[in-house]
Amino acid sequence: GENVEQHPSTLSVQEGDSAVIKCTYSDSASNYFPWYKQELGKRPQLIIDIRSNVGEKKDQRIAVTLNKTAKHFSLHITETQPEDSAVYFCAATLDSWGKLQFGAGTQVVVTP
Amino acid sequence: EAQVTQNPRYLITVTGKKLTVTCSQNMNHEYMSWYRQDPGLGLRQIYYSMNVEVTDKGDVPEGYKVSRKEKRNFPLILESPSPNQTSLYFCASSAGGGNTEAFFGQGTRLTVV
Repeated sequence: GENVEQHPSTLSVQEGDSAVIKCTYSDSASNYFPWYKQELGKRPQLIIDIRSNVGEKKDQRIAVTLNKTAKHFSLHITETQPEDSAVYFCAATLDSWGKLQFGAGTQVVVTP
Repeated sequence: EAQVTQNPRYLITVTGKKLTVTCSQNMNHEYMSWYRQDPGLGLRQIYYSMNVEVTDKGDVPEGYKVSRKEKRNFPLILESPSPNQTSLYFCASSAGGGNTEAFFGQGTRLTVV
């Protein structure tokens, strides 16, 4: 089955700097890669996703890149703000009725 | 308002006492799933359901049961809870399965003593 590894487990950045979280996956057939943000005490919520036919996707200050050859994808947050502090999860899946495999999560702390 | 609702939000129970965590969605989603969240392990899928009466095991199904008698409801049953099932549980639903946006419930914090 699919295995997703996520790094780093914790990330501390100064407000205004960029943050990068990296994930690798094991199954080359995986074709959907979402990112979820979980604020303290809240439920995970989708912030951006990418499909295997696309190399990069941006939405304001966040972007995701996908390298199918290397089987890794990354989340980039620019101009970080205190409200970006949260746990971020990457995930991968290979078909519409299959399991959504999550990474272990990255705790991002943005300090003013 | 479109939402996934879990109950209860918090539960403390004793080892061996059967319990059910309910999950209901009002978005007419076909795909529903249960996850448990533990520190350092992320979200691990327990069971998922592709439609009414169609369920399958996720990565950590041992000690859990589910049923999907109606499209909107997907309860999680712990027949004989044990302390290692102490965790934060999330129900989620999506329109098209694993490769579409998952909408999560508020979570259920379960403690088994």
